[in-house]
Amino acid sequence: DTAVSQTPKYLVTQMGNDKSIKCEQNLGHDTMYWYKQDSKKFLKIMFSYNNKELIINETVPNRFSPKSPDKAHLNLHINSLELGDSAVYFCASSQGSNTPHEQYFGPGTRLTVT
Amino acid sequence: GNSVTQMEGPVTLSEEAFLTINCTYTATGYPSLFWYVQYPGEGLQLLLKATKADDKGSNKGFEATYRKETTSFHLEKGSVQVSDSAVYFCALRDGGTSYGKLTFGQGTILTVHP
Repeated sequence: DTAVSQTPKYLVTQMGNDKSIKCEQNLGHDTMYWYKQDSKKFLKIMFSYNNKELIINETVPNRFSPKSPDKAHLNLHINSLELGDSAVYFCASSQGSNTPHEQYFGPGTRLTVT
Repeated sequence: GNSVTQMEGPVTLSEEAFLTINCTYTATGYPSLFWYVQYPGEGLQLLLKATKADDKGSNKGFEATYRKETTSFHLEKGSVQVSDSAVYFCALRDGGTSYGKLTFGQGTILTVHP
């Protein structure tokens, strides 16, 4: 029943590790996004995929690599984790990438790097 | 580039008080404007939107009017409830080739006391 789901909800790991966050949407949307929310609640887009193609790639370290196996999934893999990667990561989806249609957000994944 | 500026928080009100959260923006062209709300421990939900000048978005007693002349989209509610306690984000998507990218303000934490 969940529209946009993310796993895991919490992720605690050590510096230098590699981790992945998964996102799935069952809304039939063709566009998916990853956003990062820092400790001060500031939200910034990281990536966007439209029909499995990368269309937005903000200034994000190349340790972050998104992968979209199909239109319903957008996963985020992070290599060599650093303390500064600690944040809440939100996945979102929408129908169409150049329309005012609503973006639907997942519940977030709280990543803590120790 | 695009930017969104929200009033500094946190905002603390008593139940039934009037709420205003100011939001101003800088953008090229004719952006669409949004207010999203984030309840504790949850992802963002669209609260209301306006896609052209003088449009008024409204939902759950909240309202905001797209003012092109003052580049503003202030959020108002006549009588807040404890359940309105959340973080409120103003956001824009410009009318050009932004591929759905949302630019967010810094968020305003609202706490409503009984």
